[in-house]
Amino acid sequence: DTGVSQDPRHKITKRGQNVTFRCDPISEHNRLYWYRQTLGQGPEFLTYFQNEAQLEKSRLLSDRFSAERPKGSFSTLEIQRTEQGDSAMYLCASSLLRDWGEQFFGPGTRLTVL
Amino acid sequence: GENVEQHPSTLSVQEGDSAVIKCTYSDSASNYFPWYKQELGKRPQLIIDIRSNVGEKKDQRIAVTLNKTAKHFSLHITETQPEDSAVYFCAAFKGGGGNKLTFGTGTQLKVEL
Repeated sequence: DTGVSQDPRHKITKRGQNVTFRCDPISEHNRLYWYRQTLGQGPEFLTYFQNEAQLEKSRLLSDRFSAERPKGSFSTLEIQRTEQGDSAMYLCASSLLRDWGEQFFGPGTRLTVL
Repeated sequence: GENVEQHPSTLSVQEGDSAVIKCTYSDSASNYFPWYKQELGKRPQLIIDIRSNVGEKKDQRIAVTLNKTAKHFSLHITETQPEDSAVYFCAAFKGGGGNKLTFGTGTQLKVEL
């Protein structure tokens, strides 16, 4: 499969626990994005990387959230001290380095915080 | 920042009819406008996109139009089929800074037999 992959697909955790998600982009794509989607809404931007550099973070991304892309390939998104309001689908997307690069999405990780 | 509004929120059509979904955006510097289809429990899939240097683009039964002056763009689906039933999202993108997609709130399209 040469598309964007994400792991795990589902995560159930208790409030206060830390969770980490992984995204593997399409191999030649320089840009990697994280979005969050809640039921009945469109995806909301969280952060993006160009190669290994994190270039933009949304105000939605509280200090409990951290993302990395250490070697410019896969990325991880960690949420510390999870809250029930963090329950959502976390989507990863990747694109080529272009002004209007088409973004291709992964299947998402559905997080449920109990 | 960019704001994208999308209408209608739900749309029901008979098989074979056309469907039109409309979006407006606020940032005149946005230059790329993709449309995504999302089936229940699945990833958003890019179905068509348009760049700010063209006014219309067509791909088989799907077309998108862009009016930069009015800052709105629309998705047109002709000869709808039951498999077109899904949630459709429009989005706006501004390259060269703010490199992110800002999505509309989605349109639930139902194609009835």
